[in-house]
Amino acid sequence: DTEVTQTPKHLVMGMTNKKSLKCEQHMGHRAMYWYKQKAKKPPELMFVYSYEKLSINESVPSRFSPECPNSSLLNLHLHALQPEDSALYLCASSQSEGDYEQYFGPGTRLTVT
Amino acid sequence: GQQVMQIPQYQHVQEGEDFTTYCNSSTTLSNIQWYKQRPGGHPVFLIQLVKSGEVKKQKRLTFQFGEAKKNSSLHITATQTTDVGTYFCAGRNTGGFKTIFGAGTRLFVKA
Repeated sequence: DTEVTQTPKHLVMGMTNKKSLKCEQHMGHRAMYWYKQKAKKPPELMFVYSYEKLSINESVPSRFSPECPNSSLLNLHLHALQPEDSALYLCASSQSEGDYEQYFGPGTRLTVT
Repeated sequence: GQQVMQIPQYQHVQEGEDFTTYCNSSTTLSNIQWYKQRPGGHPVFLIQLVKSGEVKKQKRLTFQFGEAKKNSSLHITATQTTDVGTYFCAGRNTGGFKTIFGAGTRLFVKA
């Protein structure tokens, strides 16, 4: 199974809402990533988890809060977002941090109203 | 900080024509990866190059990594409409901890 799943596929939320994005992989990968992608732009790294510990935080605003409950799951908790946070949020995983290919999920299309 | 430049931004070709996208880094890379993202889709890993001067082929796709490990290219021979999408290179600095994506090249193929 080389699939990374993400839920929900689409999410519309107001600026005062709290929501969570979920990501799951069953490939035994020990590194998991959150990316933000705006239209016609490359994926922009947000967070990296390695062996369930936060390894990289790319100076992401605190209204985005990642969580890695176990080696297969990755969450992104959203609170008090701004309209400019609307984007495609991609989860990815790799065997570990380092020179390994990343497997991307289909993404969650987020719209903040 | 590390930057990975990719050109061209867009390329329109007639089906059957060749296509090349180029990637350049300001610093030496430990590896270069290539991904393809179809319209409305997500990035899909194509290949990874690690060795200086490495050349790898996948059917009509040829990938090269420069001798100085600062540049790379992806060449598609005889494009098909199924090649449509955005091609991203992604490089990791020697000793670095993260992979940086280039801006991508959007390929349009006219039948």
